Amino acid sequence: AQSVSQHNHHVILSEAASLELGCNYSYGGTVNLFWYVQYPGQHLQLLLKYFSGDPLVKGIKGFEAEFIKSKFSFNLRKPSVQWSDTAEYFCAVRGGGGNKLTFGTGTQLKVEL
Amino acid sequence: NAGVTQTPKFQVLKTGQSMTLQCAQDMNHEYMSWYRQDPGMGLRLIHYSVGAGITDQGEVPNGYNVSRSTTEDFPLRLLSAAPSQTSVYFCASSLSGYQETQYFGPGTRLLVL
Repeated sequence: AQSVSQHNHHVILSEAASLELGCNYSYGGTVNLFWYVQYPGQHLQLLLKYFSGDPLVKGIKGFEAEFIKSKFSFNLRKPSVQWSDTAEYFCAVRGGGGNKLTFGTGTQLKVEL
Repeated sequence: NAGVTQTPKFQVLKTGQSMTLQCAQDMNHEYMSWYRQDPGMGLRLIHYSVGAGITDQGEVPNGYNVSRSTTEDFPLRLLSAAPSQTSVYFCASSLSGYQETQYFGPGTRLLVL
């Protein structure tokens, strides 16, 4: 069975600080990887996804993530966060040829002015 | 396109009551799924459907029923609500196939007293 670990549960940053959120998954085969964001009071929105090809994936709002197969990781990064990035971030994996997503427990990011 | 819609947005139930959470999509997506979101636990898959007439259990199916009579609709039924079912419920859909992105609805917040 596939699983996802997000090690940072709560992160507090000042505006303009750099962000890196960790995501590790366990699944031995081919995977699709996703980062979703949930702004306060809103539903999940796709930030970026990796299916194949270039392991450095760029998403919306200046976010990027790097797939490192040898480390089973898909960490999310942003060079300079803004107050509006305050949200909860979920990493998700899909493997095995099916369509089921497995989510991590989420990381709550708070960006202070 | 309205995308994925869910009704109601918020519901309060008493223990033992029944209700149906509605989910509809107008994107002709074959795959639909229901998740529940609880603090510190991320999103967990309840039931999913790969097409009209086909449903299957996810990670936490107990206490919930689903049916898929049309491509557009995928209602989630609670036959006898319990306080443990207090949660936020999200419906999601995607085109069939392995490399497809799931799109989420706005969620239904359910409180069972």
